[in-house]
Amino acid sequence: DVQMTQSPSSLSASVGDRVTITCRASQSISNYLNWYQQKPGKAPKLLIYAASSLQSGVPSRFSGSGSGTDFTLTISSLQPEDFATYYCQQSYSTLFTFGGGTKVEIK
Amino acid sequence: QVQLQESGPGLVKPSETLSLSCTVSGGSISSYYWSWIRQPPGKGLEWIGYIYYSGSTNYNPSLKSRVTISVDTSKNQFSLRLRSVTAADTALYYCARLRVGLVGTTGIYYFDYWGQGTLVTVSS
Repeated sequence: DVQMTQSPSSLSASVGDRVTITCRASQSISNYLNWYQQKPGKAPKLLIYAASSLQSGVPSRFSGSGSGTDFTLTISSLQPEDFATYYCQQSYSTLFTFGGGTKVEIK
Repeated sequence: QVQLQESGPGLVKPSETLSLSCTVSGGSISSYYWSWIRQPPGKGLEWIGYIYYSGSTNYNPSLKSRVTISVDTSKNQFSLRLRSVTAADTALYYCARLRVGLVGTTGIYYFDYWGQGTLVTVSS
């Protein structure tokens, strides 16, 4: 299996802050990396696919970068509606695996 | 707008079979892959398996011996059966569309539409 490790597991930030979440794969996965946002009681929502492609309708303050084993999700200016848990997911292998999640909380 | 809705019992006894269905509306089930993903309470996401509309499947090896995913194109539905359940199978179960998107010349899988999820508790 391709193991996905996210850091940090949680962070506290203020509205307007720039937030960066990291995801590391246990082997090279090229750009086969997706990011999801999950709010309490809701299903995950696709934000970014193929490491850096913004899903339609997702605000441009979200961006993704990286290739190989190291990836980053950046929120350029945190908004109140962005407080949620974020997951990365690899699709290099069709044994799809998710990271453990990063919870973004209000400071 | 594609919508997915899970349905099935919320309580299953240990050693019995968990059965869920996912109804797709706002679009055809044809020409896409469809998947099941679960999330134990307070924990992360685990992919269970997927099915193509034609019936071909791929399962997580950790569950493969107990899982069957099937599709009924006439009803625009696909289903999950998980046999011999234990308390460890207690989770929120999501159905999702697995899209194969083209980025340049590369095809990449991602889950673009999700159901709201249904909680299944395994308990006697």
